[in-house]
Amino acid sequence: GESVGLHLPTLSVQEGDNSIINCAYSNSASDYFIWYKQESGKGPQFIIDIRSNMDKRQGQRVTVLLNKTVKHLSLQIAATQPGDSAVYFCAEGAGGTSYGKLTFGQGTILTVHP
Amino acid sequence: EAGVAQSPRYKIIEKRQSVAFWCNPISGHATLYWYQQILGQGPKLLIQFQNNGVVDDSQLPKDRFSAERLKGVDSTLKIQPAKLEDSAVYLCASSRGTLDQPQHFGDGTRLSIL
Repeated sequence: GESVGLHLPTLSVQEGDNSIINCAYSNSASDYFIWYKQESGKGPQFIIDIRSNMDKRQGQRVTVLLNKTVKHLSLQIAATQPGDSAVYFCAEGAGGTSYGKLTFGQGTILTVHP
Repeated sequence: EAGVAQSPRYKIIEKRQSVAFWCNPISGHATLYWYQQILGQGPKLLIQFQNNGVVDDSQLPKDRFSAERLKGVDSTLKIQPAKLEDSAVYLCASSRGTLDQPQHFGDGTRLSIL
């Protein structure tokens, strides 16, 4: 079932470490996945996306891995910086008439210590 | 490129009052979304527009919420009458309207119901 309230998963790392944020998705028909970063008082900011025909995609300091067998998505951040501290959301989307519709996960709080 | 603009940034009203939020999407983005984000949760889609037509409003509480996108550009979301459980951040997003074009979010309107 859904988790509600303020009990978000948390991840604390030291500056310079690599961070891995995990996400389990629910819909096996989803064919588009996206990671967003949300800082306090701001809207979600696009980080990276991946289609279901790929299992890995790299951006600047970030890598997204997709395992469709177990419906798992991860975001790797290299050399994590204090400015990376935020809540990270994964979202899944499916094609069809509602293309572009995203279903968001619960979110993970990342705290980077100097 | 200018981002998604939303106003007001904050709104405090009493229950049973009405409130309206405004969104101006990124220029050229055909698809516009309204999300509700309750504290500690991921955004939840309320309604999706393609140009000035509604694509998906399955999760919009239509007895109290309404939205329009006249002329296919700006959009307004209205709540009448407001309930305590409507306290949330209301986010607007826009995209070019295809599956793998990411949605870009505004910073939202934080609504508090007294």
